[in-house]
Amino acid sequence: DQQVKQNSPSLSVQEGRISILNCDYTNSMFDYFLWYKKYPAEGPTFLISISSIKDKNEDGRFTVFLNKSAKHLSLHIVPSQPGDSAVYFCAARGSARQLTFGSGTQLTVLP
Amino acid sequence: DTEVTQTPKHLVMGMTNKKSLKCEQHMGHRAMYWYKQKAKKPPELMFVYSYEKLSINESVPSRFSPECPNSSLLNLHLHALQPEDSALYLCASSTRTSGRTDTQYFGPGTRLTVL
Repeated sequence: DQQVKQNSPSLSVQEGRISILNCDYTNSMFDYFLWYKKYPAEGPTFLISISSIKDKNEDGRFTVFLNKSAKHLSLHIVPSQPGDSAVYFCAARGSARQLTFGSGTQLTVLP
Repeated sequence: DTEVTQTPKHLVMGMTNKKSLKCEQHMGHRAMYWYKQKAKKPPELMFVYSYEKLSINESVPSRFSPECPNSSLLNLHLHALQPEDSALYLCASSTRTSGRTDTQYFGPGTRLTVL
């Protein structure tokens, strides 16, 4: 049973436009959510996080939104750049502090 | 500095070999993690060390043996692996604070191939 789902395996966006990556979760005990970016054959790089007590966190071009009632998380990247092309994983932290990852979304930013 | 280092970068081993993966961080983090990632799949948690003690073992086969010699180092000893164990092995660390924020930072991984 997947507790964290990223239903879009891929997303293509034009350079300069907004990229919106989505993530849904089922476990209401998750209290901390993170987004990681991953290039092939490299480890995930931490991008941005949000605590369950907030609904928005912004860092430069990256904004994460959390809708607890809908159990939905989204990452907005604006403006998108070709260097943003990578696989993006959302992750959620449970009561035992381990992370559960979604299956990832491949973002391609077209020049 | 949020650097976690892992060695080796690549490892090829036979099913009868014994090898070790190493992970190091100097951020003062007191929690360290091993993950396994297969192609086109998310990372899967294997082990968690908290204050140098094993706190979580996600039912990992005994052919994988973790070790945490001190707060900066984490090893994964490998013995009698199977070809299906071929994967990217990721190490991560976090502060393990009691607060809400406890971000895990990942190393670059070791690409393991079992022949």
